[in-house]
Amino acid sequence: DIVMTQSPDSLAVSLGERATINCKSSQSVLYNSNNKNYLAWYQQKSGQPPQLLFYWASTRESGVPDRFSGSGSGTDFTLTISNLQAEDVAVYYCQQYYSHPLTFGPGTKVDLK
Amino acid sequence: QVQLQESGPGLVKPSETLSLTCTVSGDSFTSSYWTWVRQPPGKGLEWIGYIYYGGSTNYNPSLKARVTMSLDTSKNQFSLKLTSVTAADTAVYYCARPGGGSGYYPFDSWGQGILVTVSS
Repeated sequence: DIVMTQSPDSLAVSLGERATINCKSSQSVLYNSNNKNYLAWYQQKSGQPPQLLFYWASTRESGVPDRFSGSGSGTDFTLTISNLQAEDVAVYYCQQYYSHPLTFGPGTKVDLK
Repeated sequence: QVQLQESGPGLVKPSETLSLTCTVSGDSFTSSYWTWVRQPPGKGLEWIGYIYYGGSTNYNPSLKARVTMSLDTSKNQFSLKLTSVTAADTAVYYCARPGGGSGYYPFDSWGQGILVTVSS
């Protein structure tokens, strides 16, 4: 199984500031034949199902504000929230869909400072 | 836009079988990999597995011995059975669908989730 880790476990950010979340996979999720990273990011607000933010590591899902950005390749990935808004308070998960079983990171909780 | 809704008992006794159904509406039920994901209270997400419209399945090895998924195409429903449950199976169970036409896509559609508690 591919093990996903995230750092930090939690962070508190002031309104308008930047939040950076890191995700690491135990093996590369870059599929060489199509040069795509099989890595997704989700946002989960309290009491709600996860919502897809990014796929292929950096392709923004429709409707996701452009203050969210995804980057990285291979085994190391980053989700950045610039200009943090109150509605961004949530837990953020990365997920690999490169191989089965599909696996998720443990989550990073983002709160307001 | 596809909509998914989980249903089933919210309380199951230890050693018994957890049974859940997901009803799909708003989109074609065909050609997709209908998936179950669970989340213990306060914890992270665990992929349970999927059933393809054609009937093939792929389960998480950690649960494979206890999991069965099935389809009822006449009702646009798919189901999950998990046998010999323990307190460790207490979780919110989500049904979900990957956005692409394979089992190697992330999930762009989720049900609201159903909390299943295992307790006597």
